[in-house]
Amino acid sequence: KNEVEQSPQNLTAQEGEFITINCSYSVGISALHWLQQHPGGGIVSLFMLSSGKKKHGRLIATINIQEKHSSLHITASHPRDSAVYICAVPPFGNEKLTFGTGTRLTIIP
Amino acid sequence: ETGVTQTPRHLVMGMTNKKSLKCEQHLGHNAMYWYKQSAKKPLELMFVYSLEERVENNSVPSRFSPECPNSSHLFLHLHTLQPEDSALYLCASSPRTSGGRNIQYFGAGTRLSVL
Repeated sequence: KNEVEQSPQNLTAQEGEFITINCSYSVGISALHWLQQHPGGGIVSLFMLSSGKKKHGRLIATINIQEKHSSLHITASHPRDSAVYICAVPPFGNEKLTFGTGTRLTIIP
Repeated sequence: ETGVTQTPRHLVMGMTNKKSLKCEQHLGHNAMYWYKQSAKKPLELMFVYSLEERVENNSVPSRFSPECPNSSHLFLHLHTLQPEDSALYLCASSPRTSGGRNIQYFGAGTRLSVL
């Protein structure tokens, strides 16, 4: 059974701080997704990656396939980054995404 | 704006009511999904449609009945729901269904309360 664990579950930081959110999974995968869910409920896809690192603005996602681990970093955090960040993976040969429970990030001005 | 529109945004219904959730995408995607997100739980996949054909039914109770009349529209018909069905229901679409290597575009969700 594929399990996806995220840490921390909750994170509160001051504006400007460097943020790291971690995701670990238990089975081989073809890609990993990072998603952002705002308080209203809508979800936005941030990254899909299968190796190395991807960067988009102040967000950076890394993945280590051998260690079955990924991290999402936010540089120069801002209150508008406050959201739930969700990691999701499709096991090899499976159409379905398995989701983590999410990390609730709050950035204080 | 992700290009996936869900209506209504909020719904309160009694256990004997019948209601429907609607999802619409004009992204030209061939795959559409229904997810359930309960409080403090991960998203759970309910149904997957590919080119209007249901390709995944994740052991969902029959009181939830999906319908995909065309590749742009997806419905979730609800009847005789239970209070534990109260949750956020999210629709998503992707170009294809191949193995989770497609980015999924999510709607804003319908927050359902069953009294």
